[in-house]
Amino acid sequence: KAGVTQTPRYLIKTRGQQVTLSCSPISGHRSVSWYQQTPGQGLQFLFEYFSETQRNKGNFPGRFSGRQFSNSRSEMNVSTLELGDSALYLCASSLEPGNNEQFFGPGTRLTVL
Amino acid sequence: AQKITQTQPGMFVQEKEAVTLDCTYDTSDQSYGLFWYKQPSSGEMIFLIYQGSYDEQNATEGRYSLNFQKARKSANLVISASQLGDSAMYFCAMRTFQGAQKLVFGQGTRLTINP
Repeated sequence: KAGVTQTPRYLIKTRGQQVTLSCSPISGHRSVSWYQQTPGQGLQFLFEYFSETQRNKGNFPGRFSGRQFSNSRSEMNVSTLELGDSALYLCASSLEPGNNEQFFGPGTRLTVL
Repeated sequence: AQKITQTQPGMFVQEKEAVTLDCTYDTSDQSYGLFWYKQPSSGEMIFLIYQGSYDEQNATEGRYSLNFQKARKSANLVISASQLGDSAMYFCAMRTFQGAQKLVFGQGTRLTINP
């Protein structure tokens, strides 16, 4: 069974641009969560999606948004990029919300210049 | 609010020795889960072990065990017979089962296994 896949793996953007990251969960998993990892702030929860609905959102500005498709694949979008958005963005999938095991993808490393 | 504290930024251990990574947590919820993840330099978070707040037995998964002391709010990870491949960042995390079901992570401990 394939694991969680994230594309692209690496991305370089400049300030003011926007970016879209993609996450494909493990087959059969319907819950997808996103996390941002930076050296200063550590790992922080961005949002959680289940059945194409955002269930929870972390404390991030409105520039961060996401969505989930009917096949459970999820995308997150960051508009008007800032230098501080440089981070590793991790996606995790689970069978459903509240499931004990969340399986993480390899992450997308975003660099904002 | 939930909080995870990992007080060891880095640890150096000789191969084949046992190692304990510390984790303390803070929550007012009665029902919660505690997790340990391993993050190699590749970046992927690898699930290691889970302990529920109502589980009476300490969780074990192969060489990993979780020393759960509920009254002290600690959930230390014990790795027996460490291997070179255990060198990585280790994160303790918590999720409560009320409200937003998100993982709250500690700052991590960088474990280095020396040959």
